[in-house]
Amino acid sequence: NAGVTQTPKFRILKIGQSMTLQCTQDMNHNYMYWYRQDPGMGLKLIYYSVGAGITDKGEVPNGYNVSRSTTEDFPLRLELAAPSQTSVYFCASSYPPGGGGANVLTFGAGSRLTVL
Amino acid sequence: QKEVEQNSGPLSVPEGAIASLNCTYSDRGSQSFFWYRQYSGKSPELIMSIYSNGDKEDGRFTAQLNKASQYVSLLIRDSQPSDSATYLCAVNSGGYQKVTFGTGTKLQVIP
Repeated sequence: NAGVTQTPKFRILKIGQSMTLQCTQDMNHNYMYWYRQDPGMGLKLIYYSVGAGITDKGEVPNGYNVSRSTTEDFPLRLELAAPSQTSVYFCASSYPPGGGGANVLTFGAGSRLTVL
Repeated sequence: QKEVEQNSGPLSVPEGAIASLNCTYSDRGSQSFFWYRQYSGKSPELIMSIYSNGDKEDGRFTAQLNKASQYVSLLIRDSQPSDSATYLCAVNSGGYQKVTFGTGTKLQVIP
């Protein structure tokens, strides 16, 4: 049981480049999330999705885009990378409320991105 | 006002003591409250979840929730050096599907 899988684990980008962080979960979770964590800080919500075809902005969506074409996959796209996007990115998934374990997040291992 | 607030610490306690971690939140409509532990360089992992006022105990950990005061806490009894980590408070806010994190409290357990 893989849980939440993120790729790549590490990436260095030049300013202005674009890339996609991949996230896949095999737990049939409806909800998926992207967070970023800057050094010594908590997690800030970038985007989230409550199901295939449905996405919404979190606290810090600028400079990012997402799509959710399947239940399993929730890629995060960075367009025109900037140094301010240097961070560790975590993908997470959860069951929706109404059942046991509501909103309990299962995290991927994280993707460390550096923009130079 | 931040949605979820924690003291960043570090909080230092001797081995065997009780560590007390606190968190306040701003959204009175929040229904779900969580404590995650994060070791350096690792992803967060769930320690406790609590959904009703009062105390919830799991081994050495006790979560306390007071919705009237918009306050949630985590007590760690018989603290061990392996408990040294950052503890993140998380709350569903702005709608049941959003989970917002505090900045975390760094706990150091001194042998």
